[in-house]
Amino acid sequence: GAVVSQHPSWVICKSGTSVKIECRSLDFQATTMFWYRQFPKQSLMLMATSNEGSKATYEQGVEKDKFLINHASLTLSTLTVTSAHPEDSSFYICSAPPQSVTDTQYFGPGTRLTVL
Amino acid sequence: GDSVTQMEGPVTLSEEAFLTINCTYTATGYPSLFWYVQYPGEGLQLLLKATKADDKGSNKGFEATYRKETTSFHLEKGSVQVSDSAVYFCALSGQGAQKLVFGQGTRLTINP
Repeated sequence: GAVVSQHPSWVICKSGTSVKIECRSLDFQATTMFWYRQFPKQSLMLMATSNEGSKATYEQGVEKDKFLINHASLTLSTLTVTSAHPEDSSFYICSAPPQSVTDTQYFGPGTRLTVL
Repeated sequence: GDSVTQMEGPVTLSEEAFLTINCTYTATGYPSLFWYVQYPGEGLQLLLKATKADDKGSNKGFEATYRKETTSFHLEKGSVQVSDSAVYFCALSGQGAQKLVFGQGTRLTINP
């Protein structure tokens, strides 16, 4: 099946620094990618929709200046957590629907962010 | 807005037991319904889906039927295996939309 990768798989950073997480579709093109956040023992909460070549669409309550999203190509979206704080520690997951099969999404393995 | 409510876990069963994980939803129009599974240390994988009322999704011995009259999409398996231990998520996508709304997830543990 289709593969979505994320890099890094885990990252530890100091409070106040910025962290970039990459999401790549390895064998298909995706004009849209989604970024989710998963807290321990809780569900995935959609943060934003990443659109290739245009601005991301953020869900209510998500700070767009804190979570910067760039969808530079049909196979890459990046999420940058700016000025990270301990409350930003979480598991971040991306997903992508192939252009040809829009009701199916493939998920990345996730990135564990720990902010000290 | 759209929402999904799942049976709370964790659920622990013995091998070969019958499994049901309840899922109900609230949505306008005609959403598509999904079950995703997350094995330990891995990303979410689509287990099965149904796109219209009365459709039955099935995969790996799991089944779920889209019931519009009860707004439900319960997951069932007749005989579970240890390898089915994972977290299961019920989800929907609104009519014409791609983004998913997830339930809270149910952790399933199967003991030999």
